[in-house]
Amino acid sequence: GAGVSQSPSNKVTEKGKDVELRCDPISGHTALYWYRQSLGQGLEFLIYFQGNSAPDKSGLPSDRFSAERTGGSVSTLTIQRTQQEDSAVYLCASNRDRGNYEQYFGPGTRLTVT
Amino acid sequence: GQQVMQIPQYQHVQEGEDFTTYCNSSTTLSNIQWYKQRPGGHPVFLIQLVKSGEVKKQKRLTFQFGEAKKNSSLHITATQTTDVGTYFCAWNTGKLIFGQGTTLQVKP
Repeated sequence: GAGVSQSPSNKVTEKGKDVELRCDPISGHTALYWYRQSLGQGLEFLIYFQGNSAPDKSGLPSDRFSAERTGGSVSTLTIQRTQQEDSAVYLCASNRDRGNYEQYFGPGTRLTVT
Repeated sequence: GQQVMQIPQYQHVQEGEDFTTYCNSSTTLSNIQWYKQRPGGHPVFLIQLVKSGEVKKQKRLTFQFGEAKKNSSLHITATQTTDVGTYFCAWNTGKLIFGQGTTLQVKP
């Protein structure tokens, strides 16, 4: 079956602009996660969704970052007023529920802020 | 602070040599997972260990979880060029807390 998909695959934006990153999880997966991968920081957790609610937002680095999930499926990560330090690969993962141990990752969105 | 430490950061080996990456934590871990990320790719789940002293094998890969559940290792026997990539350990607390990863390069 189809895996986790993310769009766009690459995004170049100017400092100060807003960006939206999209994640389409595996059908039927109720848990969805966003991570960020950068050279200096490795793989960092950002936010977790169970259904449409986000019980754990502890990894969001600032209030410029927000995310939502609608219909228990697609999720959008929004970064407002982008900064150069936001440049990274943003990875989405999903699994059937939070207790289900394997997380399935999407291909990621490479964000470059110029 | 970083809860899961992983070493080494990089390892270059000749094809056919063995490779080991190590993870440790000051916290007792309920589990440890291992993921592989090929160059340009995304993390792919390899295995989860949950029991003290657990050892699991997948072909040439051997995974161990320490008796105190504070450390883990991944050993690859007789590396091949297909083993190239970055190997991450991760503690699954509902979210994944990753080690820094070990990037393996294999010289043919």
